[in-house]
Amino acid sequence: DADVTQTPRNRITKTGKRIMLECSQTKGHDRMYWYRQDPGLGLRLIYYSFDVKDINKGEISDGYSVSRQAQAKFSLSLESAIPNQTALYFCATSDSGGGGPNNEQFFGPGTRLTVL
Amino acid sequence: RKEVEQDPGPFNVPEGATVAFNCTYSNSASQSFFWYRQDCRKEPKLLMSVYSSGNEDGRFTAQLNRASQYISLLIRDSKLSDSATYLCVVKGGGFKTIFGAGTRLFVKA
Repeated sequence: DADVTQTPRNRITKTGKRIMLECSQTKGHDRMYWYRQDPGLGLRLIYYSFDVKDINKGEISDGYSVSRQAQAKFSLSLESAIPNQTALYFCATSDSGGGGPNNEQFFGPGTRLTVL
Repeated sequence: RKEVEQDPGPFNVPEGATVAFNCTYSNSASQSFFWYRQDCRKEPKLLMSVYSSGNEDGRFTAQLNRASQYISLLIRDSKLSDSATYLCVVKGGGFKTIFGAGTRLFVKA
């Protein structure tokens, strides 16, 4: 079984709809992240959480919210989706102690979201 | 100016070739450096960390030049399976981690 899972894997929705993307991990890591990936722009951080009681905005948090329901679960919500939120969304985890030798991040398989 | 910049490519090389990618970063206080690999429609995965003294892992060699603020990845004896996008990743003080947009590599038979 995959260590970091994301649901759904693909979603097509309409402008104005509320969407929730879910992420679960079995790695036992404290830190979890949400990124979006757009062609030519690389991965950009939306939100991150260092533990269940800790939520922090990343560089592009506007239009998004998150919930850390448990150490293993971190969900991303789009309250009112708009077309420029069409992207590939990745969840990632890392160990609070710095992970491997250099704080490796482990990514989920991604969710491809299309907002019409 | 982007904080981490990479040549997007694509690099098209024959099997067995040697290919090198560079990546520049703007924050001189950056502390940790990595190369991730991302296959088409897949998630990024750590390829290797980049150490100040340079490091090698099989056919892959990574180097860091702090004075010029760039890191490099050299792939020797390219394989078809090396075809992917290579992401340069730079971590600053505290938490901030910046991903480059990636360099695409196609290795052809």
